[in-house]
Amino acid sequence: EVYLVESGGGLVQPGGSLRLSCAASGFTFSSSSMSWVRQAPGRGLEWVSTLSANADSTFYADSVKGRFTISRDNSKNTLYLQMNSLRAEDTAVYYCAKSGSGYHYFDYWGQGTLVTVSS
Amino acid sequence: EIVLTQSPGTLSLSPGERATLSCRASQSVSSSYLSWYQQKPGQAPRLLIYDASTRATGIPARFSGSGSGTEFTLTISSLQSEDFAVYYCQQYNNWPLTFGGGTKVEIK
Repeated sequence: EVYLVESGGGLVQPGGSLRLSCAASGFTFSSSSMSWVRQAPGRGLEWVSTLSANADSTFYADSVKGRFTISRDNSKNTLYLQMNSLRAEDTAVYYCAKSGSGYHYFDYWGQGTLVTVSS
Repeated sequence: EIVLTQSPGTLSLSPGERATLSCRASQSVSSSYLSWYQQKPGQAPRLLIYDASTRATGIPARFSGSGSGTEFTLTISSLQSEDFAVYYCQQYNNWPLTFGGGTKVEIK
């Protein structure tokens, strides 16, 4: 069974940094593109970033480009999201999601970790 | 950027009724690279449909997807109590990946 478990969320001041992690199991992590998707309180889903299986291609939403960095450690089956220069509008539940069969729909999701940016 | 517009915003129906949800794209989604997700309060989204019409593993047959180009539809043939939730469409034809704003299916 596929498991994705996010960690690292919490309360951070505007301008601060946070690193999210997503521990994966139950599938061949090194063969799967992985993504972060977020959801602000009471709002819809927003794609944040995607990293290819071998980490040679990265994609970012304009809203986070230059501030967030996605990375992975295939030896640890773990996906990361380094978030710098955080803003109040980055407040959201951040989900880790696995891409399906080489295409960028999301066939498995973690339960999410809440990031709150507030002074 | 492909903008996805979902309608209606809220659908009020009774158990057993048929639900028809619409997702309209601002430009053509080639190869039908469109998916649908279900999200219940406090839970992560769950994949229902990908490639516009292919049911994901374990999804009941009452869920079906159709459409192409700029017009896509999710149909729930007979609503069960566990189907009352918010539904999102997503395109993966172009970067950035985008989601629609969601349709809430509520009990009438």
